[in-house]
Amino acid sequence: GAGVSQSPSNKVTEKGKDVELRCDPISGHTALYWYRQSLGQGLEFLIYFQGNSAPDKSGLPSDRFSAERTGGSVSTLTIQRTQQEDSAVYLCASSVNPGRGPYEQYFGPGTRLTVT
Amino acid sequence: AQRVTQPEKLLSVFKGAPVELKCNYSYSGSPELFWYVQYSRQRLQLLLRHISRESIKGFTADLNKGETSFHLKKPFAQEEDSAMYYCARPSNRAGNNRKLIWGLGTSLAVNP
Repeated sequence: GAGVSQSPSNKVTEKGKDVELRCDPISGHTALYWYRQSLGQGLEFLIYFQGNSAPDKSGLPSDRFSAERTGGSVSTLTIQRTQQEDSAVYLCASSVNPGRGPYEQYFGPGTRLTVT
Repeated sequence: AQRVTQPEKLLSVFKGAPVELKCNYSYSGSPELFWYVQYSRQRLQLLLRHISRESIKGFTADLNKGETSFHLKKPFAQEEDSAMYYCARPSNRAGNNRKLIWGLGTSLAVNP
């Protein structure tokens, strides 16, 4: 079946502009995660959605970052007033309900964001 | 705070040599632990999990509760093993509010 998809695959934007990154999780997966991957910084957790529960936003680096998940499926990560330090690969992952089963996360291909 | 520690950012070995990627976790009950791998230009994917006690691509990992470690090992490294490796464990929060805690990753380079 189809895996996790993300769009766009690459995004170049000017400093100060807003960007939206999209994630389509695997159908039936109730959990959705956003991560940021930077050279030398490893995998940085941003936000986690699980079903109808309030999202865990503890990883968002500033209030310029926000995310929503509509209808329990597609998610959008929004970065307002982008800064050069926001340049990174943004990864999305989904999994079955982690409260009940295995924790394997299935990752998308990522969106490479470059802020000039 | 719960932590997963991968002390080596970069590990370089020659083809055919044994390799061990270290992972230590902060103690908390009976953890589940995972190794994920990202090959060049590929998606991050699960390599193995400790509850399966499986060997994938020649890699094994044994949970050592006394040392709170889950090191990834392979007796004879191959060039195609060159990749970024991440160790992870679930947070201990009950119910639905659980997520994975990740190490910073180790980049393995296997030289010919």
